[in-house]
Amino acid sequence: DIQMTQSPSTLSASVGDRVTITCRASQSISSWLAWYQQGPGKAPKLLIYKASTLQSGVPSRFSGSGSGTEFTLTISSLQPDDFATYYCQQYNSYPLTFGGGTKVEIK
Amino acid sequence: EVQLLESGGGLVQPGGSLRLSCAASGFTFSNYAMNWVRQAPGKGLEWVSGFRSSSGIIDYVDSVKGRFTISRDNSKSTLYLQMNSLRAEDTAIYYCAKVYGTSGAIFDYWGQGTLVTVSS
Repeated sequence: DIQMTQSPSTLSASVGDRVTITCRASQSISSWLAWYQQGPGKAPKLLIYKASTLQSGVPSRFSGSGSGTEFTLTISSLQPDDFATYYCQQYNSYPLTFGGGTKVEIK
Repeated sequence: EVQLLESGGGLVQPGGSLRLSCAASGFTFSNYAMNWVRQAPGKGLEWVSGFRSSSGIIDYVDSVKGRFTISRDNSKSTLYLQMNSLRAEDTAIYYCAKVYGTSGAIFDYWGQGTLVTVSS
C-alpha cells in the first residue's frame, strides 16, 4: 500500500498569510494526487486533482504542485473560510489512501 | 443538484451487522462509480470500498475484506454497504462519495455521513 504523509499536522496562521502544506508518497504516484478541504462537522470538498488542476468553483488562491513523491498545496492569501483540515489522497493504485491531514488554525 | 443521503448507521454490538444505504439524486447514478469512505472520531479519512469506473471491479481496504460487501441498485439510485462481524475499530462516520467523471478514484460529491458505533 502507498503511504501518504502530510506535514505539518497543525499549522497556525492569520488571515492574509500564504500557507503551504506538503504531502509525500511512499512511492511514485506520478501526478495522481488530489487535495480535499474539510470544515468542522462537514464532508470533505474536492479542491485539486491531478496534482495541480483546480476543481470547478474552487477559488484561485488555492494551487497545487508536484509529481512523483512530493506535492504541495498552497493557499496564497488565507481567508476566514479556509480555516479547516486539508487531506491529500493518492489514486495511483488501490487501496486508495489519504494523508493524515493538516489542520489550519487561526493564529 | 447532486445529493447523497446516507442512512442505516447506529449503535451495534461487536460481532453484529449493519447495512448502510446511500440514496443518490441529481445525476445519472448508473453512469458513475461510487465509493465508501470512513472517518473515525477525531481521526483522518480512510477509503473503505468502491467500484472502479472503467471496469466495475470492486475493491476493499484489507481491514474490511471478507466482512463488508458493497453493492448498488441502479434502478433505485442507491449504494449499499453490508457490514458484518463489526469491530470496535469500525466505529466511524461513513460517507458515500461519487467518483468525479472517469477519473476512477477521486470524489467530487460526498454525503453528510452516517455514524456507526460498535460498542457493547
